[in-house]
Amino acid sequence: DTAVSQTPKYLVTQMGNDKSIKCEQNLGHDTMYWYKQDSKKFLKIMFSYNNKELIINETVPNRFSPKSPDKAHLNLHINSLELGDSAVYFCASSLGETQYFGPGTRLLVL
Amino acid sequence: AQSVTQLGSHVSVSEGALVLLRCNYSSSVPPYLFWYVQYPNQGLQLLLKYTSAATLVKGINGFEAEFKKSETSFHLTKPSAHMSDAAEYFCAVSEGAGTYKYIFGTGTRLKVLA
Repeated sequence: DTAVSQTPKYLVTQMGNDKSIKCEQNLGHDTMYWYKQDSKKFLKIMFSYNNKELIINETVPNRFSPKSPDKAHLNLHINSLELGDSAVYFCASSLGETQYFGPGTRLLVL
Repeated sequence: AQSVTQLGSHVSVSEGALVLLRCNYSSSVPPYLFWYVQYPNQGLQLLLKYTSAATLVKGINGFEAEFKKSETSFHLTKPSAHMSDAAEYFCAVSEGAGTYKYIFGTGTRLKVLA
């Protein structure tokens, strides 16, 4: 059983397109996150949701819009993709202090 | 504001040698501290965590870390490196229970030489 899953695993797209990444967790956790890992492996938090409410928004461009339809899902929609959006995007969830990460979505913008 | 500094972006050790990965943190309140490991093309996996209990924390795969408040450090060690330990290691800090923001270090790539 996959605890935190993301789809798609790979995403290759053209500049200017709109794309979505989906995340689901079956751990029963209340809190979910999106992180961006750049080419130098630097991992930075983007958003955090607790019980479907946005609690952290780390000065991410408003082209990025998270949506949490329920506690088990946190999706990330990106409008007007730019070259600099190329990265690995990780979803995570937590109950308490420990985070559990998904396998990542590798986004390449051409 | 919290921050994490990992000294050494690349560390190489021989198989069987001691592994020491350094992490220093800055936090205005008693922190929670974590070490995660990332294998190629995979997500992050928790190795161990410090949450204000015992200062010497044991984790999976034979790793341990010691919280030293006076040195603001949380270094990761393993007595004997194995080839399978080759991976990227991340130290992270959060400002304790009930906070949802985690700050990650820039990572240390561990290479194990045969």
